[in-house]
Amino acid sequence: EVQLFESGGDLVPPGGSLRLSCAASGFTFNNYNMHWVRQAPGKGLEWVSGISGGGSTKNYADSVTGRFTVSRDNSQNTLYLQMNSLRAEDTAFYYCAKRAGSGSNYPLDLWGQGTLVTVSS
Amino acid sequence: DIQMTQSPSSLSASVGDRVTISCRASQGISNSLAWYQQKPGKVPKLLISAASTLESGVPSRFSGSGSGTDFTLTISSLQPDDVATYYCHKYNGAPQTFGQGTKVEIK
Repeated sequence: EVQLFESGGDLVPPGGSLRLSCAASGFTFNNYNMHWVRQAPGKGLEWVSGISGGGSTKNYADSVTGRFTVSRDNSQNTLYLQMNSLRAEDTAFYYCAKRAGSGSNYPLDLWGQGTLVTVSS
Repeated sequence: DIQMTQSPSSLSASVGDRVTISCRASQGISNSLAWYQQKPGKVPKLLISAASTLESGVPSRFSGSGSGTDFTLTISSLQPDDVATYYCHKYNGAPQTFGQGTKVEIK
């Protein structure tokens, strides 16, 4: 079955760190750019970061640049998001998502169920 | 960065009504525009890609149009199962951008 499964969400204090994981199955993981999208409770979708299939190209939203780092382990079919210097406004469900095709001009056709990150003292 | 402005933010319509949601890009994005449906407590579902290509399994009452800066999602005959929030998404390159969302309810 084609699926994505996120883990690692937790309650952390402001300034803290957290690493999210996304396990992929059912497709050739290294063929696809992968992305993180977040959604604060009751709010809209916000793209956070993306990484190319081989891992050489990484992009970030301005709101997380310098604090978050995306990476992937293609041997383990796993995507990661290292989150440092967390702020209250980072509180959200974090989804990993796959592009619908190889390359950068495809929408996101497969989403995980999300993992909740809560930043609070 | 390109901004995506969606309107209206919410709407209420009767079953069987034709519903239209607009999305405007701050710069031309060709047809690199997708629409998603998100039901309460659920994950976003891809409905339309390349501005007008209906994804497999999506009911034909959904359609998309537009190119450049102005795009439209149309539900030709609103059904109770369509109650959801709809998002447009500029997906080419980086950064990607989502519209603010349109919440659709039944009157």
